[in-house]
Amino acid sequence: EIAMTQSPATLPVSPGERATLSCRASQSVSTDLAWYQQKPGQAPRLLIYGASTRATGIPARFSGSGSGTEFTLTISSLQSEDFAVYYCQQYKNWPRTFGQGTKVDIK
Amino acid sequence: EVQMLESGGGLVQAGGSLRLSCAASGFTFRSYAMSWVRQTPGKGLEWLSTIGGSGVSTYYADSVKGRFTISRDNSKNTLYLQMNSLRAEDTAIYYCARGSDEYYHFWSDYWGQGTLVTVSS
Repeated sequence: EIAMTQSPATLPVSPGERATLSCRASQSVSTDLAWYQQKPGQAPRLLIYGASTRATGIPARFSGSGSGTEFTLTISSLQSEDFAVYYCQQYKNWPRTFGQGTKVDIK
Repeated sequence: EVQMLESGGGLVQAGGSLRLSCAASGFTFRSYAMSWVRQTPGKGLEWLSTIGGSGVSTYYADSVKGRFTISRDNSKNTLYLQMNSLRAEDTAIYYCARGSDEYYHFWSDYWGQGTLVTVSS
């Protein structure tokens, strides 16, 4: 099983600032990685797949990068609606596995 | 508009059974793999099971293999999860999710709103 580790657990950021979230895989997943956003009381929403491709309707301020074992989700200028929990997920192998999440908090 | 609506959650005693349903609309159901994912405060998001578009191929997490069964009825656009021998640690919100393709469900592009399952010991 591929373990996904996200850091930090909590990221305090001021509105308008840049946020950088990390995700590390225990073995290479190539670019078979997705990012999701989840707000309280809501289901996860797909942001990024293929490590760097934005899903339909996702604003350009969200960008993903990385390959192999190291990945980054960057939110270039945080808007109020971006304060949420973000999860990475690998789909290289079964079982599909998620990171434990990074909560982006208001600083 | 793609929509998925889960139902069937509730309170059940340990050792009991439940069947979750996920009614889908707004897309050609048989053309997509579908999965169940659960979420607990302690363990975060956990993928449980995937079924291919035709219903032939299924995949399970070790934590539920032998206890849970995924199935689908493409004539009713509905996904199911039969959960047997439930344990306290199965307490979670259960989501159905649409896969990226017909076969392997690489990523989930749409999710239902979730249904809460509580297993009492």
